[in-house]
Amino acid sequence: EIVLTQSPGTLSLSPGERATLSCRATQSVSSSFLAWYQQRPGQAPRLLIYGESSRATGIPDRFSGSGSGTEFTLTINRLEPEDFAVYYCQQYGSSPFTFGPGTKVDIK
Amino acid sequence: HLQMQESGPGLVKPSETLSLTCTVSGGSISGSTYYWGWIRQPPGKGLEWIGNIYYGGSTFYNPSLKSRVTISADTSKNQFSLKFSSVTAADTAVYYCARQPWGKFSYCDYWGQGTLVTVSS
Repeated sequence: EIVLTQSPGTLSLSPGERATLSCRATQSVSSSFLAWYQQRPGQAPRLLIYGESSRATGIPDRFSGSGSGTEFTLTINRLEPEDFAVYYCQQYGSSPFTFGPGTKVDIK
Repeated sequence: HLQMQESGPGLVKPSETLSLTCTVSGGSISGSTYYWGWIRQPPGKGLEWIGNIYYGGSTFYNPSLKSRVTISADTSKNQFSLKFSSVTAADTAVYYCARQPWGKFSYCDYWGQGTLVTVSS
């Protein structure tokens, strides 16, 4: 099983700042089958990025994904108030599909 | 616009079987590349993938849960279902249904709102 770790656990930033979130895998993720989700309190996760760097439909271009192998990054440029949430990475290239423990982005 | 809605009992007794249904509207579960999955999230914790199904009946389960999980589909009702046997308090979670658009190895692009299932006597 591929275990994903995310860092930092919590990121305290101000609106307008850039957020850089890290996701590391214990094994190489097949074909960059890596996704990022945003989850606001009381809501279902929302797909942001898939295939390591492709934005999902309707996702603003301030969200970007990069990386390969075992190291992946989600960058959020110019944080908007609605971006303060928990972010999860997920690998879907190897069964069982696994999620990271999440990074909470909160308001400084 | 695709919508997904989970339904089922919010309270299940220990050792019994948890049964949930996901109703899909605004699209068909019979799409050629779509798999339909279940994911759960214990209160205050992270996400766990349970398994998925193709409308033709092919299933794919998390090995750690496989012995207790059955996922089925009813194309006539545009629904798919989850059965989880021999539940314990550790199975208390919000259960989400989701669409995986590019086969069984795929991300989840649409999610239901989730339903909380509590296992307690």
